[in-house]
Amino acid sequence: GQSLEQPSEVTAVEGAIVQINCTYQTSGFYGLSWYQQHDGGAPTFLSYNALDGLEETGRFSSFLSRSDSYGYLLLQELQMKDSASYFCAVPTGGFKTIFGAGTRLFVKA
Amino acid sequence: DAGVIQSPRHEVTEMGQEVTLRCKPISGHDYLFWYRQTMMRGLELLIYFNNNVPIDDSGMPEDRFSAKMPNASFSTLKIQPSEPRDSAVYFCASTRGGVGTDTQYFGPGTRLTVL
Repeated sequence: GQSLEQPSEVTAVEGAIVQINCTYQTSGFYGLSWYQQHDGGAPTFLSYNALDGLEETGRFSSFLSRSDSYGYLLLQELQMKDSASYFCAVPTGGFKTIFGAGTRLFVKA
Repeated sequence: DAGVIQSPRHEVTEMGQEVTLRCKPISGHDYLFWYRQTMMRGLELLIYFNNNVPIDDSGMPEDRFSAKMPNASFSTLKIQPSEPRDSAVYFCASTRGGVGTDTQYFGPGTRLTVL
């Protein structure tokens, strides 16, 4: 089967760094995406890793290790507005995408 | 661009009624997706279209659900008859096909409540 696992909740303080992990099991692998969703909002795309390594976009970075079927999203200099749910997702062939259950990030002052 | 547009934003209906959700994808995007999100089941892909043709509807829960895409700028998701367990947020998303990315652009969603 195909599945993604990520922690259900993470709490961190403003200004800190937080890492949200994702492990996946898929029959074919094309890349790992991350989406952010605020309460009451829609998922918005953050990043996509097709190759091993770290991709940096401002305060957010995403890492992928294909050999370990593992990736993470790294959020630096946390701000209150970063409180949201974060989903890892994998396209499984064609354009069918499977989403993880989401990690709810709480940023405390 | 206005982004993906969905209507209505909220829908409250009674069990047994027909519900039609509407979506306008981003112009130029040739893939359109319908998702359902609930606390229990998370974000589930129901069906997706490529160039107005349904490609994979394996996520459609049952025959009460149907989706159409009559042209490149409009799609509908219909539930008939609706049941309380259909209560969820339904998202439409679109993307431009191509290799190297999987960026999907989501609409604001329709929050459906079936009483």
